[in-house]
Amino acid sequence: RKEVEQDPGPFNVPEGATVAFNCTYSNSASQSFFWYRQDCRKEPKLLMSVYSSGNEDGRFTAQLNRASQYISLLIRDSKLSDSATYLCVVNKGFKTIFGAGTRLFVKA
Amino acid sequence: NAGVMQNPRHLVRRRGQEARLRCSPVKGHSHVYWYRQLPEEGLKFMVYLQKENIIDESGMPKERFSAEFPKEGPSILRIQQVVRGDSAAYFCASATSGGPSGANVLTFGAGSRLTVL
Repeated sequence: RKEVEQDPGPFNVPEGATVAFNCTYSNSASQSFFWYRQDCRKEPKLLMSVYSSGNEDGRFTAQLNRASQYISLLIRDSKLSDSATYLCVVNKGFKTIFGAGTRLFVKA
Repeated sequence: NAGVMQNPRHLVRRRGQEARLRCSPVKGHSHVYWYRQLPEEGLKFMVYLQKENIIDESGMPKERFSAEFPKEGPSILRIQQVVRGDSAAYFCASATSGGPSGANVLTFGAGSRLTVL
């Protein structure tokens, strides 16, 4: 079993749609959680941290469920510029593990 | 305030040659990570270093690959006797901390793309 698992997609959605990505992790001792975004042939960039209480940044909402070892990302009112690969990231100590990513295509 | 600087951005090598990839972390960051990304695949952890120390190299192949982060100068990922399967993007990331307390946010460089002919 992979340490961090994501649905690879692709998700093809129209502009304005709401889309949700899920991620599961296997190490219950994991300490911190993030979503990164990676554009084609570019480096990953931090999108947001994920907390048990849930956190929101504009159109983006992230949620962590420690009991189920599950992380989610919700994007509301999708824009063309949201098209990218979204990486679920789990950290324990110095070990930072990336999921393989979920690809999102937002169409006009 | 420069971010993580990687060079070269693109490197072409013939089979059997050596590849050296360099990474200068964000100023003030003392933790460096190297990841490899094959086309259409996710990031695979290779090695984690602090200044003059390799902390975790569990993701790095035992042969032909080595990494260092000297007291002065950039971190270097070295691949000896390259083979076609080494063709990939190699990303370096740095962080302010790597310890167990960390909310360990990584800042990535733009990557070095190695092509082995």
